[in-house]
Amino acid sequence: ETGVTQTPRHLVMGMTNKKSLKCEQHLGHNAMYWYKQSAKKPLELMFVYNFKEQTENNSVPSRFSPECPNSSHLFLHLHTLQPEDSALYLCASATESQYEKLFFGSGTQLSVL
Amino acid sequence: GENVEQHPSTLSVQEGDSAVIKCTYSDSASNYFPWYKQELGKRPQLIIDIRSNVGEKKDQRIAVTLNKTAKHFSLHITETQPEDSAVYFCAARNTGTASKLTFGTGTRLQVTL
Repeated sequence: ETGVTQTPRHLVMGMTNKKSLKCEQHLGHNAMYWYKQSAKKPLELMFVYNFKEQTENNSVPSRFSPECPNSSHLFLHLHTLQPEDSALYLCASATESQYEKLFFGSGTQLSVL
Repeated sequence: GENVEQHPSTLSVQEGDSAVIKCTYSDSASNYFPWYKQELGKRPQLIIDIRSNVGEKKDQRIAVTLNKTAKHFSLHITETQPEDSAVYFCAARNTGTASKLTFGTGTRLQVTL
């Protein structure tokens, strides 16, 4: 285990559901990231938090709502998603928010029906 | 913004042979270039990184070279083994107040016996 834990590992939801993804890191890092991984596309940055403050929102639709209550926990709240939002959602942490030496979680495989 | 292109998209080599994956970037101010390995169904893991003030870096069987003039960098794996089979992602980080890490689309490496 890398020290970055994501739950759930798999999630199937309808377009009208509301669900949340959870990420927890035990590495003492100060920065946390959400990435989206779709087939045959580059990893897409969604959000960055540094010391609990959001420092990056990469033009993500409002149906994705992040929350970072402390430096160890990160959530991604989902509501009224579209089928094209189906992807692997990866959380990562790092010592600070300069994208160096990211430690990724195993991801949540999301399917939107 | 930064644009990272990665080639080839798939690569098959025989065990013991070398493998080379190439990436180009567009922003001449980019200063940090990591490589991540993602085995099937697992999380991406950093395997090696290089900064713009260095031309080459080695770690056992893997090495990365950087040509700043041509704006390309490459991953070299020697004496490949079956456990090297994975998807490899390159990335480039641009500088400035809005620094970002841009990933390539990945190379699926298959090492055959």
